[in-house]
Amino acid sequence: DQQVKQNSPSLSVQEGRISILNCDYTNSMFDYFLWYKKYPAEGPTFLISISSIKDKNEDGRFTVFLNKSAKHLSLHIVPSQPGDSAVYFCAASGVEYGNKLVFGAGTILRVKS
Amino acid sequence: EAQVTQNPRYLITVTGKKLTVTCSQNMNHEYMSWYRQDPGLGLRQIYYSMNVEVTDKGDVPEGYKVSRKEKRNFPLILESPSPNQTSLYFCASSLSSPLGRTLNSPLHFGNGTRLTVT
Repeated sequence: DQQVKQNSPSLSVQEGRISILNCDYTNSMFDYFLWYKKYPAEGPTFLISISSIKDKNEDGRFTVFLNKSAKHLSLHIVPSQPGDSAVYFCAASGVEYGNKLVFGAGTILRVKS
Repeated sequence: EAQVTQNPRYLITVTGKKLTVTCSQNMNHEYMSWYRQDPGLGLRQIYYSMNVEVTDKGDVPEGYKVSRKEKRNFPLILESPSPNQTSLYFCASSLSSPLGRTLNSPLHFGNGTRLTVT
């Protein structure tokens, strides 16, 4: 049973528009969330994270929102650029999971120019 | 350059023929881990190591072995590979655990090893 779910396998967005990638989790013990980005033939790279004491974290064009009551987080990319086309993984961590991250299945983002 | 290096990048083998995938990091990281990526399942942890001579099972350890004799190296061993181990494998390291909970501890990944077992 997947504890971190990314229900959209893929997303296509026009360049300059907003990309919104969604992630749901089931375990209320998760209290730290991360997004990783993966290009073909490369390993995932860390993008942005958020602690459960916050509901929003921004880093340039990337913003992560956390809704603890809904057990939902989202990654917003504004404006989207063709170079953002990649697979995005959501991951979660909790005190009882201190030595591991639990990953979602990933969402393929395609930004069209 | 700070990096995690995996070898080989591609490997095709037959059922039952022992193989080793090497992983090395040059960042003096304490924590190292192996993941496999399969369609629709994301990244699943196989084994991890908190430090030299300290290893533990992840979520899908069956059919795999690891060792951590030196801080920089964390090889993944498949004693008797089977077709269900055909996958994309990633090695990763982090300065410390718990993961991702401080700016110092995001996971750094290698570029992956695509393994096919026939």
